[in-house]
Amino acid sequence: QVQLVESGGGLVKPGGSLRLSCAASGFTFSDYYMSWIRQAPGKGLEWVSYISSSGSTIYYADSVKGRFTISRDNAKNSLYLQMNSLRAEDTAVYYCARAPYSSDGEGYYFDYWGQGTLVTVSS
Amino acid sequence: SYELTQPPSVSVSPGQTARITCSGDALPKKYAYWYQQKSGQAPVLVIYEDSKRPSGIPERFSGSSSGTMATLTISGAQVEDEADYYCYSTDSSGNHRGVFGGGTKLTVL
Repeated sequence: QVQLVESGGGLVKPGGSLRLSCAASGFTFSDYYMSWIRQAPGKGLEWVSYISSSGSTIYYADSVKGRFTISRDNAKNSLYLQMNSLRAEDTAVYYCARAPYSSDGEGYYFDYWGQGTLVTVSS
Repeated sequence: SYELTQPPSVSVSPGQTARITCSGDALPKKYAYWYQQKSGQAPVLVIYEDSKRPSGIPERFSGSSSGTMATLTISGAQVEDEADYYCYSTDSSGNHRGVFGGGTKLTVL
């Protein structure tokens, strides 16, 4: 069955960096687009970034653009999120999710999610 | 920036029908999706492409979309349906950004 397991979260000081990983199994990873979504404590869901199956197409939310970098290694069935210049407002649980395109090709959604990894930015 | 608007809370008694709405200007052109998130758990997809139900999701969950509003309906809500529900869609401006609604807390008691 589809499994997504995030790792790499932890406590980091403002201005610091962290790299999240997501190990995928149970499906052909290289066939699917993938995304990162986050949820601040007690708040709603926020889409963060998206990467195409080959890694050639990438999009970011305005809130992280220029600071975060999404990447993938299809040989290792892994998705990554490099987070630099971290701020207190980046504190959240970060989920990786499989992101298939809709049947009309006009959008994507998230059909499987990992359990998330907590990132805390605090001095 | 594009926004999806949901009511903060909906409350029903067990067995009643719960309806959660989601409004957004791009919904006439973009599919709506619905996620259920129980406390301390990852979100689960309950409706995709406006009205389709993934395998394993109970039949009491249904979705519809008309104009700028999408609706998640839970017919005969159960106590175990108590959760936060989020609608989701993509921006129609060509920037391919995903957008979640603010979430609706469904109380069943």
